[in-house]
Amino acid sequence: DQQVKQNSPSLSVQEGRISILNCDYTNSMFDYFLWYKKYPAEGPTFLISISSIKDKNEDGRFTVFLNKSAKHLSLHIVPSQPGDSAVYFCAASEGAGGYQKVTFGIGTKLQVIP
Amino acid sequence: DTGVSQNPRHKITKRGQNVTFRCDPISEHNRLYWYRQTLGQGPEFLTYFQNEAQLEKSRLLSDRFSAERPKGSFSTLEIQRTEQGDSAMYLCASSLAVGISSYEQYFGPGTRLTVT
Repeated sequence: DQQVKQNSPSLSVQEGRISILNCDYTNSMFDYFLWYKKYPAEGPTFLISISSIKDKNEDGRFTVFLNKSAKHLSLHIVPSQPGDSAVYFCAASEGAGGYQKVTFGIGTKLQVIP
Repeated sequence: DTGVSQNPRHKITKRGQNVTFRCDPISEHNRLYWYRQTLGQGPEFLTYFQNEAQLEKSRLLSDRFSAERPKGSFSTLEIQRTEQGDSAMYLCASSLAVGISSYEQYFGPGTRLTVT
């Protein structure tokens, strides 16, 4: 049972345009959400996160939006750059104050075309 | 380089052999995690340590798998009597134990295991 779902396996975007990566989740106990970026032959790299008590978090070109009622979050990258080409994993965590078990989606491969 | 390191980066072994992987976390991180990633999937949680204590194990971690973290520093993951289904990327991550930073896990480059 996939508790974190990334339904788009791949996405192609022109350089300078907006990239929108989507993620849905089913577990209402998730209280923290994260996005990781992964280049080939490297481990995932933490990108940005959002607490369940917020609906938006912004860090430079990256913004994550959370819609708790729809159990949906999205990552916006504006403007997209060729160096953003990577696999993006959506992840969700439960266990405030204790151990944070993180559940990952299967990833979306983003290609930014120069 | 003060990131998470893993050794070896690649391991090819024959079915039935034992293998051991090592992870060195970021020095000030007291939480350490092991994940397994297969092709087309995201990382799947295997086990977790806080300092030297192993506090949680996934049902994915069969009795052929054992992990240790002596002295709360580096960790080892051993797979006994390897099977072809064990072929995967094994990822290690570490984090702090308190505050919002505890959610942010920092990953190593992984060890790719191929069982022939």
